[in-house]
Amino acid sequence: SAVISQKPSRDICQRGTSLTIQCQVDSQVTMMFWYRQQPGQSLTLIATANQGSEATYESGFVIDKFPISRPNLTFSTLTVSNMSPEDSSIYLCSVFGLANYEQYFGPGTRLTVT
Amino acid sequence: QQQVKQSPQSLIVQKGGIPIINCAYENTAFDYFPWYQQFPGKGPALLIAIRPDVSEKKEGRFTISFNKSAKQFSLHIMDSQPGDSATYFCAAPRAYQRWSDSSYKLIFGSGTRLLVRP
Repeated sequence: SAVISQKPSRDICQRGTSLTIQCQVDSQVTMMFWYRQQPGQSLTLIATANQGSEATYESGFVIDKFPISRPNLTFSTLTVSNMSPEDSSIYLCSVFGLANYEQYFGPGTRLTVT
Repeated sequence: QQQVKQSPQSLIVQKGGIPIINCAYENTAFDYFPWYQQFPGKGPALLIAIRPDVSEKKEGRFTISFNKSAKQFSLHIMDSQPGDSATYFCAAPRAYQRWSDSSYKLIFGSGTRLLVRP
């Protein structure tokens, strides 16, 4: 299994500001995903980030609001832009192992927007 | 929109009991059904998964049962312990939507909050 770390683990931000979340994996992976989990809710896929190509966004999520970078096979960032209280959530990085279909999650970044 | 329906929403059992969580899915890209366990403040952890060349898979106290014709699968926790108290999510691969779609994407159930009383 992959070991995934995220920074920051939590943050409290003011409305209108932006936060960049970092995701680091201990091995090279092709596919990385970013999820959002609102309090007490299930996981919602924001976008897929593959190295060497533009991120693909799910319905309801746009690049201007959630720009993603994927500079190499072990690292990705998600920026939450122009934040509002509705963006208060846990943001999770995830990687997928093509060899066995297994998908692993990072510890998450708990974001509170005031 | 493709869904994975998970039930119950919450479950309380006594220590040693066998909680059962059920999921029903629609069409999927391929047959692979994982369960995740999430503790408060942590990311989801892959608990057990099944690829339905078999109808059942056991790993320790955790068992997945799979019924392909009914498009249902379930998680059983044998001899449950207070440390098993967590939220459990089932998932299924999203069905192909277009030829270029990368379908290695999971759709998650709504989650089951399990409490195991001592």
